[in-house]
Amino acid sequence: DSGVTQTPKHLITATGQRVTLRCSPRSGDLSVYWYQQSLDQGLQFLIQYYNGEERAKGNILERFSAQQFPDLHSELNLSSLELGDSALYFCASSVGQDRLYEQYFGPGTRLTVT
Amino acid sequence: AQSVTQLGSHVSVSEGALVLLRCNYSSSVPPYLFWYVQYPNQGLQLLLKYTTGATLVKGINGFEAEFKKSETSFHLTKPSAHMSDAAEYFCAVSDLWNNDMRFGAGTRLTVKP
Repeated sequence: DSGVTQTPKHLITATGQRVTLRCSPRSGDLSVYWYQQSLDQGLQFLIQYYNGEERAKGNILERFSAQQFPDLHSELNLSSLELGDSALYFCASSVGQDRLYEQYFGPGTRLTVT
Repeated sequence: AQSVTQLGSHVSVSEGALVLLRCNYSSSVPPYLFWYVQYPNQGLQLLLKYTTGATLVKGINGFEAEFKKSETSFHLTKPSAHMSDAAEYFCAVSDLWNNDMRFGAGTRLTVKP
């Protein structure tokens, strides 16, 4: 158990819909990272927040957005969903803001878009 | 832009044999290099990382990797495979200035009894 929690575990929704994925980091960690893992595109870094502020952006689509709240939990919002958005979405947390610090991954949310 | 190439999407070894998983990277600045392991239905776990300093890096579970700048490689090795090593392994690259991270396509390791 990494100490990172993600909800829900599974999500099934239809094209065009909007969903919110939630992540609670390990106690004491200030950084939250979001990743997408799909068969087509492999593992991709989406976005990082550090202590409430956006720190780095990867291959995140404009239809996707994220935020980190004062209690440090984070939400990833996916809108206008397409079939290709079906994937496993991971959250990871670390104590610092750069890649020197080890990231601890949550179990993931499996999103299925039908 | 940074990139990672993992040679071999599937590697199969016998228990007790050497494990060698290959990773080549491309980066215009000094890289940070990582190896992660993913067991079925789980998130990623860091095996080891290279940032600066000693080029031979030791990680968890008996794995090690050597950063070779001249070959732009960061291959992962373990002298003796164990059944519990069966998993998917990902190589990744980042750097000090750019907090993006690029992953390889992954290598699935199978360990035969």
